[in-house]
Amino acid sequence: AQSVTQLGSHVSVSEGALVLLRCNYSSSVPPYLFWYVQYPNQGLQLLLKYTSAATLVKGINGFEAEFKKSETSFHLTKPSAHMSDAAEYFCAVTTNTGNQFYFGTGTSLTVIP
Amino acid sequence: DAMVIQNPRYQVTQFGKPVTLSCSQTLNHNVMYWYQQKSSQAPKLLFHYYDKDFNNEADTPDNFQSRRPNTSFCFLDIRSPGLGDAAMYLCATSRNLVFDEAFFGQGTRLTVV
Repeated sequence: AQSVTQLGSHVSVSEGALVLLRCNYSSSVPPYLFWYVQYPNQGLQLLLKYTSAATLVKGINGFEAEFKKSETSFHLTKPSAHMSDAAEYFCAVTTNTGNQFYFGTGTSLTVIP
Repeated sequence: DAMVIQNPRYQVTQFGKPVTLSCSQTLNHNVMYWYQQKSSQAPKLLFHYYDKDFNNEADTPDNFQSRRPNTSFCFLDIRSPGLGDAAMYLCATSRNLVFDEAFFGQGTRLTVV
């Protein structure tokens, strides 16, 4: 079975500061990992995904994430937060034999002017 | 152009009155998913179709049913909505079952009165 844990249900950063959202996964087989963003009353939009290629993955809106097998982590970062980054962020995992995405409980990002 | 379209965006229904939510896709994807997302929680998979094959999650209540008359459309039927069924319902598609990116619609927010 697969699962993800997102540490910190709420994260606040100042505009221009580093964004770091944490995600740790559990999987008995090589995982495929995703970060999605959800704005209020909207669906989920893919930010980036790791599917066993390069361990450092670049996504949209300046976000990137690094797959670290030794730490079972896939943390999401952005060097400089913008006000428009305020949203809910979900980490998700699946595998090449899975049939669904398993989502974390989400991290709400607040950007302080 | 929107690729996964959910209608309506907001739905108010009476306690016990059947309600149907709809989802359409222009991606010609094989898989369509229905997720339930309650406030401040992760999306929870209710069921999915791979082509015409229906797969129900073990803990999805019998109150929830789904139909997929063709590749493009999928419906979520709630036979007798209870107050606990108030949530955001997200439709998603993917090319195949595993590791492909899932494309989400904007969701339907269901209110039960």
